[in-house]
Amino acid sequence: NAGVTQTPKFQVLKTGQSMTLQCAQDMNHNSMYWYRQDPGMGLRLIYYSASEGTTDKGEVPNGYNVSRLNKREFSLRLESAAPSQTSVYFCASSLFSGGDNEQFFGPGTRLTVL
Amino acid sequence: DAKTTQPPSMDCAEGRAANLPCNHSTISGNEYVYWYRQIHSQGPQYIIHGLKNNETNEMASLIITEDRKSSTLILPHATLRDTAVYYCIVRVPRSQGNLIFGKGTKLSVKP
Repeated sequence: NAGVTQTPKFQVLKTGQSMTLQCAQDMNHNSMYWYRQDPGMGLRLIYYSASEGTTDKGEVPNGYNVSRLNKREFSLRLESAAPSQTSVYFCASSLFSGGDNEQFFGPGTRLTVL
Repeated sequence: DAKTTQPPSMDCAEGRAANLPCNHSTISGNEYVYWYRQIHSQGPQYIIHGLKNNETNEMASLIITEDRKSSTLILPHATLRDTAVYYCIVRVPRSQGNLIFGKGTKLSVKP
């Protein structure tokens, strides 16, 4: 089992460019999440998908869109990248979205917006 | 979800037990205590969680006080690879969405 995988590992964008971060899990989990982590800070939730076909905003959704493509895949899109979106992005999944389910994290995508 | 307080940093000698404290004085009766860690630049890793009773798994033990206002994560024989930031998180079972990560405790295991 690969667990949670993310692509790409690194990306550099220019202001205004768009890109999609990909995430996939092979644990048959129902819920998936996108977080961002800025230097010296904890993770903040961008969007999550409690189950296939549903998505909800998290703490910092502005400037992002998501797609739950199927049960395995959950993508994060930056339509017009800004320097404030320079961060490390982590995808996570859990069996269900309830608070007694542990989340499993991917290795992260390091994004720099110039 | 209740707020947690952790010391910003701790040191531990390799081979010794590492005891990481967490205060959660406003915890509610149905809130779980979770511990995650993040090794430099990697994604957070789940360690253990509990409600009332002490818990143990292959990675660590979790000791929760009887009044549930604080807990301690114990790594019984710390190794250099346990150097990481450790996060204590309190969470309601039916809460949707995110784990709320604070700043955690930076544990440095020294030879």
